[in-house]
Order: sequence, then C-alpha cells, then structure tokens
Amino acid sequence: SQQGEEDPQALSIQEGENATMNCSYKTSINNLQWYRQNSGRGLVHLILIRSNEREKHSGRLRVTLDTSKKSSSLLITASRAADTASYFCATVQGGSEKLVFGKGTKLTVNP
Amino acid sequence: DAGVIQSPRHEVTEMGQEVTLRCKPISGHNSLFWYRQTMMRGLELLIYFNNNVPIDDSGMPEDRFSAKMPNASFSTLKIQPSEPRDSAVYFCASRETGLRNSPLHFGNGTRLTVT
Repeated sequence: SQQGEEDPQALSIQEGENATMNCSYKTSINNLQWYRQNSGRGLVHLILIRSNEREKHSGRLRVTLDTSKKSSSLLITASRAADTASYFCATVQGGSEKLVFGKGTKLTVNP
Repeated sequence: DAGVIQSPRHEVTEMGQEVTLRCKPISGHNSLFWYRQTMMRGLELLIYFNNNVPIDDSGMPEDRFSAKMPNASFSTLKIQPSEPRDSAVYFCASRETGLRNSPLHFGNGTRLTVT
C-alpha cells in the first residue's frame, strides 16, 4: 500500500511565489525523504528529515515533520521556472530498508 | 562519479519477447533497488539487493519477472515473456548498505514499451 500520499496532485504558481506540498503517511517512520523528478529523468534526493526532527532547511527548501499527525510539508520559497518538476515524499517502512514513494505533486512554475 | 547507469534508455518490443534491463550502481554502493513507474500506480518497489543478495522481492509482480545481481557492479531485470501491461519506466537506484538515512541515487530509467 502507498505509504506516502502527496497533496495536491498538481500545483501551478507564478515565478517568485512560494510552493507548499504536503505528504501524509500511515505507519511509524525512521525518516522521511523528499525527492524531485524532472521530466524524463530519474529522481533526485532533496532533503531528509529524521523522525526526531521537526523542521529542516536547505537553501530555498524548508521541510517540516509532524509525527503526531503523520504528515510532512515541503516549502519551496521564491520559486523559479527551473523548479518545475514532480516532487515525491518517501518513507522507510518499519525495520526494513524499503523506501516507499507516494504518487507525487506535479509543480509548474510559470515565468 | 558517473552515477547509476541504466541501459537501454528506451526499449520497444513485441508481446511475448524477452526483455533484459541493465543497471550499474555507483561504486561502493552495496544496496540496489529496482522500481517501476506508471501513471496509474506511481513508483513501485520491485526488488532490492544488499551485497548482491536479494533481500525482498515481494514487489515482483509475477514469475515472468526475475532479477539478478551477479556482482557488486551489475544487475539485470528480466521479463519473459513480456506483456503490454509491463509497459512502464523502470528505474534502478543504489545507496550505501545499512545506512537508512542515506539517500537513494537513481539512474535515468529505461522506458519499456511492449506492443
């Protein structure tokens, strides 16, 4: 079953605006990761947040994690046309090494 | 580092034919994962290996699918016989073994079309 579910499925914004994507999951996690996928390419790791962390920053990215609500959000500030891509959250199930992905949010940043 | 290398990038074949997808992980990465991506089902984990040993193949859809990792620098995913519903993008990814906090590094995928 899908562990991570992203919301919204698609998001269209203007350059310079902020983009927020959400992820919900079902079981306990060790960490939650966000990946980006450009059209026709493989996924690229963006940021990882551990289960004992609440917020993490990397450049224009900010990730939050609320383990009580089993949810995470990815904020991209001051978006650029080059941020146009699909964004996925992924979690490790239980004690395994299996990284399970949601279906992603397709972000379009219009110039 | 060249990253994870997959071949071919595109494969078009007829139903019933055998298809072999290839992957070279990043040197030093001893965990290797095969995923399949479709619009309907998203990214599905098919199988993963640690130190060339298959650990979990519960995602392999049917006996028509098989995967091998004969050495640390090469893995194959084989479909025999192929069917139209196997059409998808197949990704290989690798990471350092035993580090749950280490990210996956993906190849650029093989787009398979079965007619």
